[in-house]
Amino acid sequence: QSVLTQPPSVSGTPGQTVIISCSGGSPNIGSNVVNWFQQLPGRAPKLLIFDNIQRPSGVPDRFSGSKSGTSASLAISGLQSEDESDYYCGSWDDSLKNYVFGSGTTVTV
Amino acid sequence: EVQLVQSGAEVKKPGESLTISCKASGYTLTSRWIAWVRQMPGRGLEWMGIIYPTDSDTIYSPSFRGQVTFSVDKSINTAFLHWSSLKASDTAIYYCARPDIYDYWGQGTLVTVSS
Repeated sequence: QSVLTQPPSVSGTPGQTVIISCSGGSPNIGSNVVNWFQQLPGRAPKLLIFDNIQRPSGVPDRFSGSKSGTSASLAISGLQSEDESDYYCGSWDDSLKNYVFGSGTTVTV
Repeated sequence: EVQLVQSGAEVKKPGESLTISCKASGYTLTSRWIAWVRQMPGRGLEWMGIIYPTDSDTIYSPSFRGQVTFSVDKSINTAFLHWSSLKASDTAIYYCARPDIYDYWGQGTLVTVSS
């Protein structure tokens, strides 16, 4: 059971916007920044969003992050077939003294 | 260019020991923590813990404390993950990554434990 809860799957059609939620609690998202990762099939995870809203260089601006209270969201606008992937949120947990990953969301286009 | 390059796939029997490696290039290993992450077949990411190469300070996730050992060799800019006695349930892909934002990841090492 992951500390951070994500929907198992989200789907959309090309060009649409999909939003992936990540629900946590006070010790993790409520107190620390959130990162988002994309894991393409058979590949290592890749940083997509850091510090809640920042995009590393090279990540398209179709990907955006937000955070409010103990929840965070990743929005993918202008959905493309290459966005089919697993997505994970992550945050430090002050109570567990662990980094925690979300349960993961599979995006289908 | 920063890279984390991991050692190759391993096939082991239950009870055997194993050490896999993660070699850093493009930056000095001692300047940043290194994390280990497990991904069991068809499952999500699990944070195993982190090691600070300068002084080998470690933080293990409770789920992995006592099950694995982290170490580093600063002279070759390499971090290691060690099992003294593997179980079938250790079958997984293991990634090293660079906290705090996890901006760089190794390619993963597949460990298969089967009799």
